[in-house]
Amino acid sequence: QVQLQQWGAGLLKPSETLSLTCAVYGESISGHYWSWIRQPPGKGLEWIGEVNLRGSADYNPSLKSRVTISRDTSKNQFSLKLISMTAADTAIYYCARGPLTGVFDFWGQGALVTVSS
Amino acid sequence: EIVLTQSPATLSLSPGETVTLSCRASQSVSNFLAWYQQKPGQAPRLLIYDVFNRATGIPARFSGSGSGTDFTLTISSLEPEDFAVYYCQQRGNRPPRYTFGQGTKLAIK
Repeated sequence: QVQLQQWGAGLLKPSETLSLTCAVYGESISGHYWSWIRQPPGKGLEWIGEVNLRGSADYNPSLKSRVTISRDTSKNQFSLKLISMTAADTAIYYCARGPLTGVFDFWGQGALVTVSS
Repeated sequence: EIVLTQSPATLSLSPGETVTLSCRASQSVSNFLAWYQQKPGQAPRLLIYDVFNRATGIPARFSGSGSGTDFTLTISSLEPEDFAVYYCQQRGNRPPRYTFGQGTKLAIK
């Protein structure tokens, strides 16, 4: 069974950089796509981006200028960096497996990230 | 960007009833349409992929249908644990390649 465990800072000031990491258990990250998805409190889901089988990343155009997703195959982890955080970036951030087949089938537990001065 | 519009925003039903949730796409998404269930404080859970295929472990009371731009999720004989928020999600060719609907909240009457 695939399990994802994520961690990172939960409270940031405006202009700071968000860094989150997701560890994958039960599967090699080299064999699948891995994504970050976020959800503002009480709102819907937004795909942030993915790292693919080759280790290349693809991003949501709305965040592309500020986001970097990478993977570390030696640690079986992948990471998210989002620069220049503002209050509008306050959300629960999830890591997820996918979408190799177009869907996100395993999810991390989620991390609430709050941006406040 | 392909926009997914879910309706209604909220539904109130009783256990044992049958419900149909709607998801309409702003342009055709072929068969790349999935449904997720999210309960408070939890991550979304994949229910249905490619319109009508149930994910592993999903009960048969959940079924999906549709094509092109109009899709539905039907839950037969609602169980107490089915009251949650449901999201549809599409996979497309244009960025962003993955978008979600705004969700339908299924509440207990």
